[in-house]
Amino acid sequence: DIQMTQSPSSLSASVGERVTITCQASQDINNYLNWYQQKPGKAPKLLIFDASTLDTGVPSRFSGSGSGTDFTFTISSLQPEDIATYYCQQYDDLPLTFGGGTKVESK
Amino acid sequence: QVQLQQWGAGLLKPSETLSLTCAISGGSFSGFYYNWIRQSPGGGLEWIGEISHSGSTSYNPSLKSPVTISVDKSKNQISLKLSSVTAADTATYFCAAYEFWSGYRFDYWGQGTPVTVSS
Repeated sequence: DIQMTQSPSSLSASVGERVTITCQASQDINNYLNWYQQKPGKAPKLLIFDASTLDTGVPSRFSGSGSGTDFTFTISSLQPEDIATYYCQQYDDLPLTFGGGTKVESK
Repeated sequence: QVQLQQWGAGLLKPSETLSLTCAISGGSFSGFYYNWIRQSPGGGLEWIGEISHSGSTSYNPSLKSPVTISVDKSKNQISLKLSSVTAADTATYFCAAYEFWSGYRFDYWGQGTPVTVSS
């Protein structure tokens, strides 16, 4: 199985601050990576697919980059509604696997 | 707009069978692949498996409990069965779907069903 290592596991940031999360795959996954946002009690919501493509309706303050084994997810200016947990997920090979999540809290 | 509505028993005893159903509405049933994903109480997400509208399946070999995913095309529903459950199967279970051309872009999710396994 492809292991996805996500860091940090949690972070605190102020509104307006830039937030960066990294995700590392145990082997080359090309750009077959999704990023999700999950709020308490809700299902995950797809934000970014193919490592860097924003899903329909996702604000442009969200972005993704990377290829191969190292990926980055960025919120350029944190908004109150962005407080959530974020997950990466690879789909280069089955079984699909997820990172452990990053909980973004308000400072 | 595609909607997934899921239901099933939320409290099981060890060795019982977990059974969940997910109904799909608002789109072409044949245009999607349907998946089950679970989330442990600690937050980790685990892919269980998927099924196409025609019944072709893939499963996560890491799951310890035997898994069966089935489809009922007449009702636009999919089902999940997990046999001989243990406490390790305690989780919130989600059905999720992606359009067959999009490649694992999970744009559509059910609301989640919390399942507890306890004696």
